[in-house]
Amino acid sequence: DAMVIQNPRYQVTQFGKPVTLSCSQTLNHNVMYWYQQKSSQAPKLLFHYYDKDFNNEADTPDNFQSRRPNTSFCFLDIRSPGLGDAAMYLCATATTKRQVNEKLFFGSGTQLSVL
Amino acid sequence: AQKITQTQPGMFVQEKEAVTLDCTYDTSDQSYGLFWYKQPSSGEMIFLIYQGSYDEQNATEGRYSLNFQKARKSANLVISASQLGDSAMYFCAMREAGPFNAGGTSYGKLTFGQGTILTVHP
Repeated sequence: DAMVIQNPRYQVTQFGKPVTLSCSQTLNHNVMYWYQQKSSQAPKLLFHYYDKDFNNEADTPDNFQSRRPNTSFCFLDIRSPGLGDAAMYLCATATTKRQVNEKLFFGSGTQLSVL
Repeated sequence: AQKITQTQPGMFVQEKEAVTLDCTYDTSDQSYGLFWYKQPSSGEMIFLIYQGSYDEQNATEGRYSLNFQKARKSANLVISASQLGDSAMYFCAMREAGPFNAGGTSYGKLTFGQGTILTVHP
């Protein structure tokens, strides 16, 4: 089945040690989003790609970066994770960013722990 | 100001009864979409139902219906005949057709409310 896949499901890293989360999609969607969701909070958009065009949210910390080498894959890099970066990271896709009636397709998320 | 407001941090309902989860929103756009997602403890976001700003009929999807009151800017989710498997976090979200700003405003991003934890009792 076509879907959005996030690996790993759980990731443990050490304070300050770079970590990369991955997302792949078989839907051939143009747009890929990364959301951060802290415990019992709403998901917060970090950035998104429209094809190769990268768009950062104004309040996304510089510590967070992203790469999209091709349509199918998108990576979230956290250069120096702090304790406050422990969260669920959700990847989502959409065919376009102009259609307000189009739902986003979400992966199962990666739960990041920082020790 | 919050774009999406869910005023009920937690709700309880008896199995087989109906429950309404509240959601109000704020936008100056004429064209927007309202969504409800379910998030079980596993973390996956499951799409439930969609309502467009121009839709005159309330959306329905099986046991889910959306009570859309545009003038009041509310989009409440109604779950009929609750089941134990409905226990989860529920998010109301809005997708706007605003202008694209390279400085950070994302055209078409989905903005979430704070969520409501629903617990279904047997």
